[in-house]
Amino acid sequence: NAGVTQTPKFRILKIGQSMTLQCTQDMNHNYMYWYRQDPGMGLKLIYYSVGAGITDKGEVPNGYNVSRSTTEDFPLRLELAAPSQTSVYFCASSTRLAGGWDTQYFGPGTRLTVL
Amino acid sequence: RKEVEQDPGPFNVPEGATVAFNCTYSNSASQSFFWYRQDCRKEPKLLMSVYSSGNEDGRFTAQLNRASQYISLLIRDSKLSDSATYLCVVNNGGATNKLIFGTGTLLAVQP
Repeated sequence: NAGVTQTPKFRILKIGQSMTLQCTQDMNHNYMYWYRQDPGMGLKLIYYSVGAGITDKGEVPNGYNVSRSTTEDFPLRLELAAPSQTSVYFCASSTRLAGGWDTQYFGPGTRLTVL
Repeated sequence: RKEVEQDPGPFNVPEGATVAFNCTYSNSASQSFFWYRQDCRKEPKLLMSVYSSGNEDGRFTAQLNRASQYISLLIRDSKLSDSATYLCVVNNGGATNKLIFGTGTLLAVQP
């Protein structure tokens, strides 16, 4: 199992450009999450999904959009990049176990700089 | 008040030292508690879950005090490889497994 994979690893955008951050998991997890982590700060939840076709906003959704057409993929879209979106973006997935929740498994992250 | 608060450190300790990290959370209804480890420029990884009875995993011991809304992590016999940021993480329950992350405590173990 590759676990959670993210592409690209690094990206530099100009203000106003758009891009999609890709996230794929091969663990058949229903639950997927997008976080951003700014320097010296904790992870903030952007969007999450409880299954294919179902998404919802997290703590900091403004400026982002998501879709979940398959169980495996959960792309994050930035439509009009702004310097405030310079951050490290982590995708994670999780599943329910018989005794409760499994941990969240994180991808390696995408480092995005908006200039 | 932040939902999860940690001392950011850094904690600079010599190899072999014992070091303790503390964390407080604001939501008394929080249900699950964890310590994650994050190496520099890497993704967070689960270190251990935290239970009211306390739990130990090798050199690591985690404690939860629900009355005081306080979580701790004790690392004994510190190794150079323990150098990382330790994230206190809380799950407030519900149907989505959403986690609330502290800002992390940086540990630097010196030779």
